[in-house]
Amino acid sequence: DAGVIQSPRHEVTEMGQEVTLRCKPISGHNSLFWYRQTMMRGLELLIYFNNNVPIDDSGMPEDRFSAKMPNASFSTLKIQPSEPRDSAVYFCASSLLAGSNEQYFGPGTRLTVT
Amino acid sequence: AQKITQTQPGMFVQEKEAVTLDCTYDTSDPSYGLFWYKQPSSGEMIFLIYQGSYDQQNATEGRYSLNFQKARKSANLVISASQLGDSAMYFCAFSPGGGSRLTFGEGTQLTVNP
Repeated sequence: DAGVIQSPRHEVTEMGQEVTLRCKPISGHNSLFWYRQTMMRGLELLIYFNNNVPIDDSGMPEDRFSAKMPNASFSTLKIQPSEPRDSAVYFCASSLLAGSNEQYFGPGTRLTVT
Repeated sequence: AQKITQTQPGMFVQEKEAVTLDCTYDTSDPSYGLFWYKQPSSGEMIFLIYQGSYDQQNATEGRYSLNFQKARKSANLVISASQLGDSAMYFCAFSPGGGSRLTFGEGTQLTVNP
């Protein structure tokens, strides 16, 4: 079974450039989450969707960050313009709304902004 | 707001011995879930075990068990018969009832010595 798929796995970009991270959740899962992991702040939830609808975006750092989920099998996290402090590993996770709701994580995208 | 605390930044254990990783939480919600994840050096987040606040018995998954003490608000992970491959960062996480965001602890770096 395919797990959560993220692309790219690594991204190096210059400050000011637009960055788009992509995620394909596990088929049949109806919740999708975007997390950011840094040494300083640990794992933080940025935003999550239930049935493609954004539920809580209080973790999104600022207006430079935006996320969309146009359908049940695809989501994007966009940073425009990017800054060096956005350098982190960005994880996408998905889960079922029912049951224990354990979240399954993708491999992450390591973003470096120079 | 919920808070998750892992007080052990690092733990060491001899191969084949058992080890307990501590996790405490603070919540006023009657319904919630507790999760443990493993993050090896390769970076992926691997779901290990789940405990619901209303579960009568401690959760077990193979060599992993969760020592759930509701009155003390603790959910310690016990790994039996440690293996070299268990060396990793371990995160405890909390989710309010109904399934939604995970709040992660700071993590414990476990090293299994041969």
